[in-house]
Amino acid sequence: DVKVTQSSRYLVKRTGEKVFLECVQDMDHENMFWYRQDPGLGLRLIYFSYDVKMKEKGDIPEGYSVSREKKERFSLILESASTNQTSMYLCASGAGGVTYEQYFGPGTRLTVT
Amino acid sequence: AQKVTQAQTEISVVEKEDVTLDCVYETRDTTYYLFWYKQPPSGELVFLIRRNSFDEQNEISGRYSWNFQKSTSSFNFTITASQVVDSAVYFCALSEAGGGYQKVTFGTGTKLQVIP
Repeated sequence: DVKVTQSSRYLVKRTGEKVFLECVQDMDHENMFWYRQDPGLGLRLIYFSYDVKMKEKGDIPEGYSVSREKKERFSLILESASTNQTSMYLCASGAGGVTYEQYFGPGTRLTVT
Repeated sequence: AQKVTQAQTEISVVEKEDVTLDCVYETRDTTYYLFWYKQPPSGELVFLIRRNSFDEQNEISGRYSWNFQKSTSSFNFTITASQVVDSAVYFCALSEAGGGYQKVTFGTGTKLQVIP
């Protein structure tokens, strides 16, 4: 079974802090994705990566950056957390791009106070 | 522009009833892909099905079935003889890729509650 793990289930940070969300997959997938999930908005793609050191912006990249130094690990970085970044963050991986099925981690619920 | 509409925000059914979750999409592309995912209370989305725009054949997998109709831009999901374990939020998604772009849009989800 595909396993996608995220470093924290719950995280509380203060406004202005730098926040790192880590994601690791064990299926040797080329593609990895970061989404945020908000009530009434569904999932929205922040960034995705189709190879090590490669990244593409999704629909809502503002305020976020990503890092993929190793194939199995994809990090989401909030350079200066703001309260409007309070959300559930979901990481996913897949053998293909967005036109293929994705396998999701359990999510990190981030609260910025 | 891509759009996915799941008009049913919440549905409650009694166990063993059949239930259909609606998904209507909008796209200008002729090549696209549709998905359904299940998000149980544990939070982890689980992939259920993928369909490409050229394959309108309906699919059945156990108690689950999917009806894809391009004429109405719909990709509906039916659960037959629902069970408590079917209680979850279900997301429909649409994706397109080509010409240097990749785009995926999720609907807002339908929360299904199956009452014993």
